[in-house]
Amino acid sequence: DTGVSQDPRHKITKRGQNVTFRCDPISEHNRLYWYRQTLGQGPEFLTYFQNEAQLEKSRLLSDRFSAERPKGSFSTLEIQRTEQGDSAMYLCASSSGTGGYEQYFGPGTRLTVT
Amino acid sequence: GQNIDQPTEMTATEGAIVQINCTYQTSGFNGLFWYQQHAGEAPTFLSYNVLDGLEEKGRFSSFLSRSKGYSYLLLKELQMKDSASYLCAVRLSGAGSYQLTFGKGTKLSVIP
Repeated sequence: DTGVSQDPRHKITKRGQNVTFRCDPISEHNRLYWYRQTLGQGPEFLTYFQNEAQLEKSRLLSDRFSAERPKGSFSTLEIQRTEQGDSAMYLCASSSGTGGYEQYFGPGTRLTVT
Repeated sequence: GQNIDQPTEMTATEGAIVQINCTYQTSGFNGLFWYQQHAGEAPTFLSYNVLDGLEEKGRFSSFLSRSKGYSYLLLKELQMKDSASYLCAVRLSGAGSYQLTFGKGTKLSVIP
């Protein structure tokens, strides 16, 4: 069990560019979540997948944001036409489909939009 | 809307006991989590309470009162490595029951 991994760990981009982040959950976990965290705040929910199905989306997830989990394993989060307000830590978490509801977080991708 | 309150900062002495409180007002409730987050790192799971009462796990204990919308995290025999932010998170019921709604976190500083 290698834990949740995310790539890249850091991304600096210019306003207006598109960025894509990847998350690999714990291998036997069928639930995957994306959160966004800014300094001094707790993580804010963005979206949730069960296997390949995207079941919940936050109102925070504007049309510029899209997430996929094509084969029910890894997931990608894309932000189009980035804005300075998108600068944040993007956290991915996964949980098991059976048993407890605890979510296990990856190390995050820190996005800086200049 | 959902409202989860915790103190912003706390300071405690190495070897002491500290209690971090969390109050919540949410539309539905299906359990409360505590996470620890060191600066620049991901949150790590500490505890999960769904029924009233105290759950003890080593130096950490967590308490829940559903009728009062209240929880606390108790840290005993504080160590310097316990300096971190502690996040209270609620799992809602019904639609949205898999996502967690977090408070802003309590930054704990442990001093010698």
